[in-house]
Parts: sequence; C-alpha cells; structure tokens
Amino acid sequence: GAGVSQSPSNKVTEKGKDVELRCDPISGHTALYWYRQRLGQGLEFLIYFQGNSAPDKSGLPSDRFSAERTGESVSTLTIQRTQQEDSAVYLCASSPFRRARSTDTQYFGPGTRLTVL
Amino acid sequence: QKEVEQNSGPLSVPEGAIASLNCTYSDRGSQSFFWYRQYSGKSPELIMFIYSNGDKEDGRFTAQLNKASQYVSLLIRDSQPSDSATYLCAVNPSTEKLTFGTGTRLTIIP
Repeated sequence: GAGVSQSPSNKVTEKGKDVELRCDPISGHTALYWYRQRLGQGLEFLIYFQGNSAPDKSGLPSDRFSAERTGESVSTLTIQRTQQEDSAVYLCASSPFRRARSTDTQYFGPGTRLTVL
Repeated sequence: QKEVEQNSGPLSVPEGAIASLNCTYSDRGSQSFFWYRQYSGKSPELIMFIYSNGDKEDGRFTAQLNKASQYVSLLIRDSQPSDSATYLCAVNPSTEKLTFGTGTRLTIIP
C-alpha cells in the first residue's frame, strides 16, 4: 500500500501562531514516531505512539508541543505559539512493531518543512 | 558522551572505491542497528539493519556489527555518484525508539 504521508509539505507561519502537522502512517503500523530535523542537523526524537497512547514523550522540547493519535492511525503534532527556533523539518515514521522482535524498521514520510517568520 | 556517534565528514571517496562509514554507540543493551541514507532535502530511507555480530551483505552494501566494541559500520563497494548522501546510523537502545547519530556526509567523486 501507500507509504507514510505527511501534510502540509511546507508551512510558513508567523511567530506566535499555532500550527498543526499531520501524519498518515502505513496501514496496519501500530507504532508512530515524530522527529525534528533542523537544517544540517541529525534527527531529534520528539514523541512515540504505540497504538493511540504515547509511552514516550521525552523528546518534546516544551509544553508548547503536543501530539495525539486517533484510531491507531492519523497523528497530529501541534505547536502552539510558534517561535523562530521551531523552524525545521518535522518527520513522521511508522513501524509495524512486532513485540517478538526488537528489530523494527521505521519508514519515514516526506516531512513537513516549517518556517516561522 | 553522545548515545550514537558518527564522524560528520564530509567523506570523499573516488568512484569505484570502497566507502567505509563508522558509528559507535554507548548503550551496551542495544539490540538493533540500522543504516539510513538521506539525500539532501529528502527523508531518510532504510538501507540495512543488523542485529547479530558479524557481517551482513546486501548487494554493494555490507553492514558490520561488533557488540563487544560497540561499533557498527557500513561498507559501500564500487561506490557510485548516486551514493553521495548523508548516512545516518540508528540504534535501538533496548526500547521501542531509535536513537540516531548526526550522520556522515559522503561524496563520491567521479
């Protein structure tokens, strides 16, 4: 089936505005991850969902960041009162998460490029 | 100490030669190890994963894992210009999430 999709592909917003980023994982994948990648930098883990619950929110940089997932499918990452340092590419990944194995390949979406002016 | 460390490069390799990319990790309990390739402006794509000590080959790519020394490497044989990208090492540190290195930028020189 289709791969991971994200929308919008690009988002330009003004400082102080709220933004919502959407991720549609591969059908049947129970695990979903959000990462942030600043220009020229590595991947920064934000949050992980197993089903609709988030056992690991340790990477969220501040309380302005939140995420939810519904129907074990679509996830939304919300950034409130955006700041210029939030400018980055936000990547979503999903994996099938077979508990019998610790190996679980993550498949990435194309990302959302967020620019905060 | 970073959890996953890679030389940021850039690493320049002549076309046709072997490119060797290295990664070290700090968590001895790590179970799974991944190499992703990321072209400029694109999202990461999986090249290989490995979870047993030794070598794993897939076409021109070979992943090598040494858990005692806590390093994992990726060899690219017969390097092609299309291999020019940033290569990300990712480690599963006994939890469901992956920890990524900052990546090594590889340039294949024609």
